[in-house]
Order: sequence, then structure tokens, then C-alpha cells
Amino acid sequence: AQSVTQPDIHITVSEGASLELRCNYSYGATPYLFWYVQSPGQGLQLLLKYFSGDTLVQGIKGFEAEFKRSQSSFNLRKPSVHWSDAAEYFCAVGEAAGGTSYGKLTFGQGTILTVHP
Amino acid sequence: EAQVTQNPRYLITVTGKKLTVTCSQNMNHEYMSWYRQDPGLGLRQIYYSMNVEVTDKGDVPEGYKVSRKEKRNFPLILESPSPNQTSLYFCASSYVGASYNEQFFGPGTRLTVL
Repeated sequence: AQSVTQPDIHITVSEGASLELRCNYSYGATPYLFWYVQSPGQGLQLLLKYFSGDTLVQGIKGFEAEFKRSQSSFNLRKPSVHWSDAAEYFCAVGEAAGGTSYGKLTFGQGTILTVHP
Repeated sequence: EAQVTQNPRYLITVTGKKLTVTCSQNMNHEYMSWYRQDPGLGLRQIYYSMNVEVTDKGDVPEGYKVSRKEKRNFPLILESPSPNQTSLYFCASSYVGASYNEQFFGPGTRLTVL
């Protein structure tokens, strides 16, 4: 069964500092990988996704993520964090056709990002 | 505007009182799904539907029912809610194809069961 681990429950950074949020997945085939962000009291917003091709994907709000098959990782990065980036971030892997649970998204536990001024 | 809508957005109820959370999408998506979000656990799939009259259990289906009588609607039914079903619920939909298709999420329904 697929699984996603976000090792960091809570990360605090200063505004302007760089950010890296870790995500490790377990999946038997080529993974479909996602990062979502949830601001306080809000729904889920898709930041970026990896389906195939270039392993470095660009997303919205200046975020990027790198797929590393050898490490089963899909870490999210941002070179300079803004106060408005404070939110909870979720990594997820999606199951495609042929799997036992088509379309299912398996989420990590989430990482809460706090940004200090 | 393409969207997934959920109603109600907020609900406080008491143990045992049946309730339904509606989900509707206007994108003609075949696939619809319900997730619940709990602190420290991320989102977990409750039920999903590949098309009209085709539903199946996700990871945490106990205490929930669903139906898919129309393509656009996928209501979540709690026949006898209990406090452990207090959670934030999300509905999602997507096309069904040979590869993975991005899911679109509704705004969420925050449910409190007293």
C-alpha cells in the first residue's frame, strides 16, 4: 500500500529565509506526487504536481519541488519565505489506473510552517 | 466557474442525529471522493465513486454511507454520528482516464458532534 511521510510536524523559519519541507513516499510504480497548502481556516490549494518528465517542478507562489526516485522523496522548496506562506503543507501521492484504489490520494501527516518576522 | 461545492460549510450536531453533507461538481467528472482531515493524520479517504451507482470504501469508511445516483452529486451520510466523527471533511472530483487525473477539492465542511 502506498504511504507518505512528512518527518517534520512543525517548522519555524524567519521571513526571507529559505525553506525545505521533506516528503518521503512509498509506492510500487511511478508515483503521481502533489503538494497542497492549507491556510488557517481554508481549504486545500494545489501548489504543484509531478506526473512525469523533468524531476524539478515549478509551482505557484514561488515554490518548487524535486522528485528523487532513488531517495523516494519529493521535497518542497522556496528560496525566500514570506509571512503569508505560514500555513500547513501536505504532500500526497495519487494512485493511477490499474491500482486497487484508482484516484485515491494518500496524504502525509502535514507540516505546519510558522514564519517569524 | 468549474467548482466543487459542499453544504453545509459548518455544522454542529448531537450524537445520533442523522445528517447529510452534500457535494456537487459541475465539471462532469466521473470520479468523486470524500476525505476527512484530522490533526496529525492528514487527510484520509472515506469513500469514493468511479461513476454513477459505483461506490467503494476508502481507508476509514466505518460510520459513513454514500450514494451516487447522479453524476454531479455525491452526498456523505452519517446515520448515527458520534463524537469521533468530529472532523473537517473534503469532497473531491476528477476525470477517470488511463493515467492519474488531478482531483479538485471542495471548500470543506467542519463538523462537530457533541
